[in-house]
Amino acid sequence: DTGVSQDPRHKITKRGQNVTFRCDPISEHNRLYWYRQTLGQGPEFLTYFQNEAQLEKSRLLSDRFSAERPKGSFSTLEIQRTEQGDSAMYLCASRGGTDYYGYTFGSGTRLTVV
Amino acid sequence: AQSVSQHNHHVILSEAASLELGCNYSYGGTVNLFWYVQYPGQHLQLLLKYFSGDPLVKGIKGFEAEFIKSKFSFNLRKPSVQWSDTAEYFCAVGEGSQGNLIFGKGTKLSVKP
Repeated sequence: DTGVSQDPRHKITKRGQNVTFRCDPISEHNRLYWYRQTLGQGPEFLTYFQNEAQLEKSRLLSDRFSAERPKGSFSTLEIQRTEQGDSAMYLCASRGGTDYYGYTFGSGTRLTVV
Repeated sequence: AQSVSQHNHHVILSEAASLELGCNYSYGGTVNLFWYVQYPGQHLQLLLKYFSGDPLVKGIKGFEAEFIKSKFSFNLRKPSVQWSDTAEYFCAVGEGSQGNLIFGKGTKLSVKP
């Protein structure tokens, strides 16, 4: 499978714990995006990387959220001191090449904070 | 900031019925518009996109959409739905040079066999 992989698929955590999600984009895609999707809503843009550079992070929901893409390949999204309101599906997407909007989405990580 | 409105939260149709899902966007300049579909348990998939040119865009699986600039609309249509079209449909607009998408809230389509 050459799609976008996200790990884990599901995560249940207690309030106050830190969680980290991983995204492996399509290998030749240099642009990577994180979105959050809550129940009844469309995906909401969080942050964007071009190679290893994080070019947009103002949409991260609070300073508890951070993302990295250390070598321009896989990316991680960390949420510190989780709250119940963080429960959502976290989606990763990548794109590259000449198709400007040729996104490929991953299947997401579903986070439940109890 | 741009926004996208989808008028219908849940649409229920019988097989062979025609489908039209509404989508309106807020930005008055040049826009890139998309429809995505999410089948149960699967990832978002692109149905079709509009960048410029012919305002009637044809996508996969028999879907099409019409861009009407004067109405800020990009409605999705299919002449005859099938049970396998049961899914959630999202309209989106591209934002800025970084290429992120602004999504509507989605419309859940249920097709009865």
